Amino acid sequence: EPEVTQTPSHQVTQMGQEVILRCVPISNHLYFYWYRQILGQKVEFLVSFYNNEISEKSEIFDDQFSVERPDGSNFTLKIRSTKLEDSAMYFCASSEFLPQALTNYGYTFGSGTRLTVV
Amino acid sequence: EDKVVQSPLSLVVHEGDTVTLNCSYEVTNFRSLLWYKQEKKAPTFLFMLTSSGIEKKSGRLSSILDKKELFSILNITATQTGDSAVYLCAVDNTDKLIFGTGTRLQVFP
Repeated sequence: EPEVTQTPSHQVTQMGQEVILRCVPISNHLYFYWYRQILGQKVEFLVSFYNNEISEKSEIFDDQFSVERPDGSNFTLKIRSTKLEDSAMYFCASSEFLPQALTNYGYTFGSGTRLTVV
Repeated sequence: EDKVVQSPLSLVVHEGDTVTLNCSYEVTNFRSLLWYKQEKKAPTFLFMLTSSGIEKKSGRLSSILDKKELFSILNITATQTGDSAVYLCAVDNTDKLIFGTGTRLQVFP
């Protein structure tokens, strides 16, 4: 079964440092997403990406965050200057939805990167 | 503001019991409602529901959507210890998934 893969599985970083979280979405998927889940809280949307540009972003996704699809397979989330409150599990997801069509898949999530900012 | 509310927050049952998990929503531009099971890390896909009244089944799990009353239920029959997890309900509003807080199910032998 196709998978979304994320690396690293766990990253510890010092406050103020830049981090890059990496994701390889499912190859025929068109839409890519980042979500995060702070420990004990609900999963929250960060950003969606389609056709090489951001299609929507949440209030959480401020100027410190950026996304990129540098080579047609990887999808990265960069946090420029991490804060303590950025500590969370970050999930990448992809879907093959087109705006006018639905499949039976839903979104496929990666296994997540646990980011710990100290 | 879009919101998804799940109940109960937590459920403790014995193996063999049947459970019903609830999800209500208020979301503009509804496209579909999804159920996920989250054990240790990534949510794993269970069901996607788009039409009212059509039950989706997978083994001991089933789910149905009511778009008039804006809710969905997830049923698990003959629960097993392996069903212990957090069950997440999410609504796709065409741009993103909006998640509920989840229902934590614990199944004891």
